[in-house]
This record gives sequence, C-alpha cells and structure tokens, in this order.
Amino acid sequence: VLTQSPGTLSLSPGERATLSCRASQSVGGRYLAWYQQKPGQAPRLLIYHTSNRATGIPDRFSGSGSGTDFTLTISRLEPEDFAMYYCQQYDKSKTFGQGTRVEI
Amino acid sequence: EVQLEESGGGLGQPGGSLRLSCLASGFTFRRYWMSWLRQTPGKGLEFVANINEVGREKYYVDSVRGRFTISRDNAKNSVYLQMNSLRVEDTAVYYCVRDVDHGHFDFWGQGILVTVSS
Repeated sequence: VLTQSPGTLSLSPGERATLSCRASQSVGGRYLAWYQQKPGQAPRLLIYHTSNRATGIPDRFSGSGSGTDFTLTISRLEPEDFAMYYCQQYDKSKTFGQGTRVEI
Repeated sequence: EVQLEESGGGLGQPGGSLRLSCLASGFTFRRYWMSWLRQTPGKGLEFVANINEVGREKYYVDSVRGRFTISRDNAKNSVYLQMNSLRVEDTAVYYCVRDVDHGHFDFWGQGILVTVSS
C-alpha cells in the first residue's frame, strides 16, 4: 500500500512543494514513479526509478527516497503545476497512491 | 509522436461483455509491453492488465482475473481488453498505456469511459 501525504497542499506560485509517498513495505530497486494529472486529462509521467525525470519534464521536478519513503519536490511552483500527483510502485505488481492535490 | 487511441467503451450490462481496443502509433509497437489501467473517483488509479511484447506473458489484477482478457495484434499496432462478466464496480475510465519493461507507464491514451449498469 502506498500512502501519500498530505492529501492537499495549498501553496502559491514560486513556492516549494514537497510531496510524500510512504510504502507499507520496502520498494526494491527504487521502482517508484510519479505522475501528474490535470482535470480531464490522462496522467503524465514525471519521474521514474525514484529520481529519473521523464523526457521533457522541467528540472524543477525532482524525486528522491529509498526503502519505504519517497519524495517528489517541485522547487518553484509554476501556475501549470497545480494538479493532482500520484506515486506508483512497480516492484511488487503495480500499485498507486491515492494522490496529493496541489492547489493555489 | 506517440499516440494511443482507445475505442469500444460505453454502457455495459452487469454480466455482459465489452471489448476495448487501442490503436498505437508513433513508436515501434512490437517492442513494448502494453497495459490497461482504470480510474474511478473512489478507488483512484488501478492497474488492470498488461501483456508483453509478443503476447506470451500476461498479468491481471486479482479482481478481473478470469473475467478480462488482454491480447494484442502487432501487425495492427493494437492491444485489446475483452471484458466479460461485467460488474458494476468495473465502471471506470480505462486507459491504454505504454508499459516500460513491465514497470512504469510512459505514455497514456486519453481514456475511455466504461459504465456498467442495468
């Protein structure tokens, strides 16, 4: 089970966002990804293997962590970053967290 | 440009069947695993099934195993999800997704709504 916190993060453009994803058991191989989803759109891959940015993802997005604790950091929020964010582990089957909403 | 286009959704009856199709373009389809995922407001995002490059390995979430079948036709750049014995709880937006080495998901279709209701 992946538990994301907080459920909602209220911030302003230019601020730093720190999103947490905690696994109920260790995620081997750092097999953890992060996705962004905007209303009415499909999710978009941001980060894979814990810290690798997907093609075309700005460097203000970064991922870190190991074991059971993982973090997505957005260094300076842009207006287009306000969205839902999901973590996903792919070590044992594939499961998603319930999401964190980043709102203005 | 990678594109994934789902079709075949809509209204299904409990106990009935629907078949989803996904047409892929913009990449060498036969070199990739492909997955179906679904999303509901209540359960969030859920992996449903995936299939390897040549269609010999298939995996399913427990809740659909024995009812849903994933398949592919590399000559047609297409992946399918045959959904039988539909349940109300199968109601969701279904996404066709490119699966990187049976791991994470790097490209998603726009999604198609499946509603199971009498």
